Amino acid sequence: KAGVTQTPRYLIKTRGQQVTLSCSPISGHRSVSWYQQTPGQGLQFLFEYFSETQRNKGNFPGRFSGRQFSNSRSEMNVSTLELGDSALYLCASSLDRGNEQYFGPGTRLTVT
Amino acid sequence: SQQGEEDPQALSIQEGENATMNCSYKTSINNLQWYRQNSGRGLVHLILIRSNEREKHSGRLRVTLDTSKKSSSLLITASRAADTASYFCATDEGYSTLTFGKGTMLLVSP
Repeated sequence: KAGVTQTPRYLIKTRGQQVTLSCSPISGHRSVSWYQQTPGQGLQFLFEYFSETQRNKGNFPGRFSGRQFSNSRSEMNVSTLELGDSALYLCASSLDRGNEQYFGPGTRLTVT
Repeated sequence: SQQGEEDPQALSIQEGENATMNCSYKTSINNLQWYRQNSGRGLVHLILIRSNEREKHSGRLRVTLDTSKKSSSLLITASRAADTASYFCATDEGYSTLTFGKGTMLLVSP
C-alpha cells in the first residue's frame, strides 16, 4: 500500500499571501489530521477530518482552514501568511479514531 | 499544549547498547503511540499501545505503559547508528487528536 503523500514538499511564500497544501491518505483511510511542527512549539494539532466533515479543531486562528473531499484527500489553507507560520506541516491518516496515525513526509513552508 | 513529556531530552550511546526513553502524560488516554523522526522529515510510526495493555514488542522495540503512573517507556535494544533520530510519544484520548511531547534526541555512535 502506498503511504501518505503530501504536496508540495517545499514552499516559499511572502507575508500576506495564502497557501494551499494537499494530502492524500493511505487507501481506505477516512480520517485525515493535520499538524504543525515548529522548533518553539513542537508538534501541534490543527484539525481532523472524517468523511468530509471536520471532527476536531486545534487552537489555531481562523486563517487556518481545511477540507476533505469524497475520496478522502484533504487540503489545508492558510490565508494572510505571517512569518510565524513558517513550519513543517504534517498530514496523518488513520482508519478511524483510536487507531494508528500514519504521517506523510510533510510540507516545509517558509514565509518571508 | 504539550501532554507527553519525554525524558531525557537527549541521549548519546554507542552502537550495540540499549536506549531507554520515558514519557509522562497528564490525562486519561485511549492509546499512546511512539514515533521516530529523522532530521525534520515526516514521522515514522513505531508502535501503538492501548490503555488496557501493559507491554508491547516490535522487533528491537519494547514499549511499556503504566496508566496508574501515567507513564510509558520505549526501549530500543542493540542500537544501531541508523537509530539516530528524535523519538516522540503521542497520546490519544480517543478523539483522533494526538498530543505530542517535545521528544528525545537519540544519537548512536558507531
